Amino acid sequence: QQQVKQSPQSLIVQKGGISIINCAYENTAFDYFPWYQQFPGKGPALLIAIRPDVSEKKEGRFTISFNKSAKQFSLHIMDSQPGDSATYFCAATSASGYALNFGKGTSLLVTP
Amino acid sequence: DARVTQTPRHKVTEMGQEVTMRCQPILGHNTVFWYRQTMMQGLELLAYFRNRAPLDDSGMPKDRFSAEMPDATLATLKIQPSEPRDSAVYFCASGLVLVGTDTQYFGPGTRLTVL
Repeated sequence: QQQVKQSPQSLIVQKGGISIINCAYENTAFDYFPWYQQFPGKGPALLIAIRPDVSEKKEGRFTISFNKSAKQFSLHIMDSQPGDSATYFCAATSASGYALNFGKGTSLLVTP
Repeated sequence: DARVTQTPRHKVTEMGQEVTMRCQPILGHNTVFWYRQTMMQGLELLAYFRNRAPLDDSGMPKDRFSAEMPDATLATLKIQPSEPRDSAVYFCASGLVLVGTDTQYFGPGTRLTVL
């Protein structure tokens, strides 16, 4: 079964707006939570990742918020740009170097 | 600029034929993953290797799929016989397992169409 649930399935945001994608998990053994970005015809690429010892991580316009008690984490894209239009996947894993459990992805479209 | 390479990039074949996909992981990486991506199921793990030894292949249909690492620079995924439901994009990813590093680097994928 899907170990990481992701929503929404698709998202349309105006340029300059904030894009928010949410993920939830059940397995409390998960200790690494990356977000991957995928453009059409390309493989997924790591965007940003967080471990449960912090509640937030920011890299440029991208921020992960992590709520350990609720077993939820989210990606916020500030000042969204048309170039951010892509599919975003959240993922989780329970040990270093182990396979990722992916959410089903969110297709983001940022309109000019 | 180190990257994972996959061949072929596209493959169209008929049902029942054998398909072999190849992956060259980033030099020095010790873990290789095979994922399959479909619209319905998203990204699913098929198998992965650490130091060329299989760690988990529970995601693969054992009767038709096989994955190997003949050497540290080559991973292969074979489907025999192929079926239309195998149509998907197959990604190889590699990573270097060290404490605190979990980044997986994905290749461009092999788009497989089985007619």
